[in-house]
Amino acid sequence: GNSVTQMEGPVTLSEEAFLTINCTYTATGYPSLFWYVQYPGEGLQLLLKATKADDKGSNKGFEATYRKETTSFHLEKGSVQVSDSAVYFCARRGGGSEKLVFGKGTKLTVNP
Amino acid sequence: GAVVSQHPSRVICKSGTSVKIECRSLDFQATTMFWYRQFPKKSLMLMATSNEGSKATYEQGVEKDKFLINHASLTLSTLTVTSAHPEDSSFYICSARWAGDVTGELFFGEGSRLTVL
Repeated sequence: GNSVTQMEGPVTLSEEAFLTINCTYTATGYPSLFWYVQYPGEGLQLLLKATKADDKGSNKGFEATYRKETTSFHLEKGSVQVSDSAVYFCARRGGGSEKLVFGKGTKLTVNP
Repeated sequence: GAVVSQHPSRVICKSGTSVKIECRSLDFQATTMFWYRQFPKKSLMLMATSNEGSKATYEQGVEKDKFLINHASLTLSTLTVTSAHPEDSSFYICSARWAGDVTGELFFGEGSRLTVL
């Protein structure tokens, strides 16, 4: 079935460090891929998305590239800030289903 | 962006009672709303999809008689947990899709934490 696997957290980094959160998906059909972010006390917000292979989604300094050959959509940021501390969810939609399927979430803490 | 609001954000109830959680789209009309359940250190699990004016579609393993979903208007969906038990304690999140959407983007509420004593 459709599933998403993302790296287990928590992840703790110092400010200005490089961030990678891995995400892979099952290759059923041609899904759209998303990263959502949940800041403390808030609802999920769409961070970025990509709808086809080789697309790169980007927002707020974060990037993720839709890699069909490795079925991956890893989230990266070159220099994290304290304000990036949140839980990040990778998700897929499509490939025969309209449902949004989430990974388990990765908690990121950025220390000053 | 579009705003989805849930109420209450936290609720504590006794076993055997029923609890209603509301999900409202504040500045757009939502033809479809989704209800998720989030367990600690677990992903969001889709419980059901509700379409305005029709019966909700439940995911496999979700008891429709226990989790009553009503989508009476284009801006409001409610989830009622009936005869709540401690194992129903969880974080419930709703999301909504804008009526004119073509991108597939969903807008999420802040979540409602239910604790059943």
